[in-house]
Amino acid sequence: AQRVTQPEKLLSVFKGAPVELKCNYSYSGSPELFWYVQYSRQRLQLLLRHISRESIKGFTADLNKGETSFHLKKPFAQEEDSAMYYCAFLNRDDKIIFGKGTRLHILP
Amino acid sequence: DTGVSQNPRHKITKRGQNVTFRCDPISEHNRLYWYRQTLGQGPEFLTYFQNEAQLEKSRLLSDRFSAERPKGSFSTLEIQRTEQGDSAMYLCASSLVGGKYLHEQYFGPGTRLTVT
Repeated sequence: AQRVTQPEKLLSVFKGAPVELKCNYSYSGSPELFWYVQYSRQRLQLLLRHISRESIKGFTADLNKGETSFHLKKPFAQEEDSAMYYCAFLNRDDKIIFGKGTRLHILP
Repeated sequence: DTGVSQNPRHKITKRGQNVTFRCDPISEHNRLYWYRQTLGQGPEFLTYFQNEAQLEKSRLLSDRFSAERPKGSFSTLEIQRTEQGDSAMYLCASSLVGGKYLHEQYFGPGTRLTVT
């Protein structure tokens, strides 16, 4: 089955603390992986993709093929990071499979 | 070009009525996708177009759903004989195949459908 699992519906983190949003995928192949973000009252937008290996807004994500994971990390949370985060992958049929999302709430 | 636009943003309809949504992609984008998102779920793929050709339809897309992209630009999604289970956010996204980042999809704001 092709599936993305984000085990946390809600993650609350204090400002300045490290953030880790977990993501595991199930796919028989080497998919392209993404993190999408949706800020309050804004549209869904791409945050980062594993092939670019960039750090965006301080966030990084490393693909671990052995664990089929693509966790999103940031060393120091900021209040503006509060948003809904979706992990996703592109399958060989050109479809993006999304997880259910994790709401990140940064506490002051 | 301000990105992908969708109209209407909200639609309330009575069960059994037909509704049509419109999506205007980013002008040079050749791919257009439709997704449905229900509460507590991520977006779920419905269908997509390469230019005017509809390449794939999800099994989520029952016979009551039809999508078109007649000139390879804007697209419409029609739902006939709406049911309460059709209540959801309908998202449109577009991408440029052959661009620097293949498959980077840009999303519209969505159309929220409520069937009463």
